[in-house]
Amino acid sequence: DAGVIQSPRHEVTEMGQEVTLRCKPISGHNSLFWYRQTMMRGLELLIYFNNNVPIDDSGMPEDRFSAKMPNASFSTLKIQPSEPRDSAVYFCASSLTGERPFFGQGTRLTVV
Amino acid sequence: KQEVTQIPAALSVPEGENLVLNCSFTDSAIYNLQWFRQDPGKGLTSLLLIQSSQREQTSGRLNASLDKSSGRSTLYIAASQPGDSATYLCAGGGDYKLSFGAGTTVTVRA
Repeated sequence: DAGVIQSPRHEVTEMGQEVTLRCKPISGHNSLFWYRQTMMRGLELLIYFNNNVPIDDSGMPEDRFSAKMPNASFSTLKIQPSEPRDSAVYFCASSLTGERPFFGQGTRLTVV
Repeated sequence: KQEVTQIPAALSVPEGENLVLNCSFTDSAIYNLQWFRQDPGKGLTSLLLIQSSQREQTSGRLNASLDKSSGRSTLYIAASQPGDSATYLCAGGGDYKLSFGAGTTVTVRA
């Protein structure tokens, strides 16, 4: 398996624009996580899906953020409108049990 | 809310020396404790997972211990190599909700 695949690897966008980050989890994994990593706040869980259903979205910062998982092999994280403070590395991770996540390479987002 | 702290933030050792990385957590009702490695510009790789009922886990040169009563975990890396240079993060918490420490950045000098 190629592991968790995220796209794009890098994204630079202007403030106010919509940004969509994509994730393909490892085949057979039933849990999917979106994390955000910044120097100031470290690694934070944004949302957790189990069997394509959002279980915990308490980490989603505000209504500008939304995440979907239309099927077991694809998830998106959307920011609309984007702001400079959203600049961070966003990681997608998947796991079989929910306990031991396998991380993707991340998407480095820069909002100017 | 689980708070996880890692000290020191950075560590530099000569090749061959044993590494000791420390992690402390505030809530002893921890479900499991995990150690991850992160290389620059990359995602996290899981190294070891210690269930709450266990006291340690070993994989090759790596050994991690868990002491719930004192709220501490330690990662030992024996006979360090330059390839061990990376940031090591510990994470603890519930069955899916992990709280991560800020990490210890390790440099192993050849």
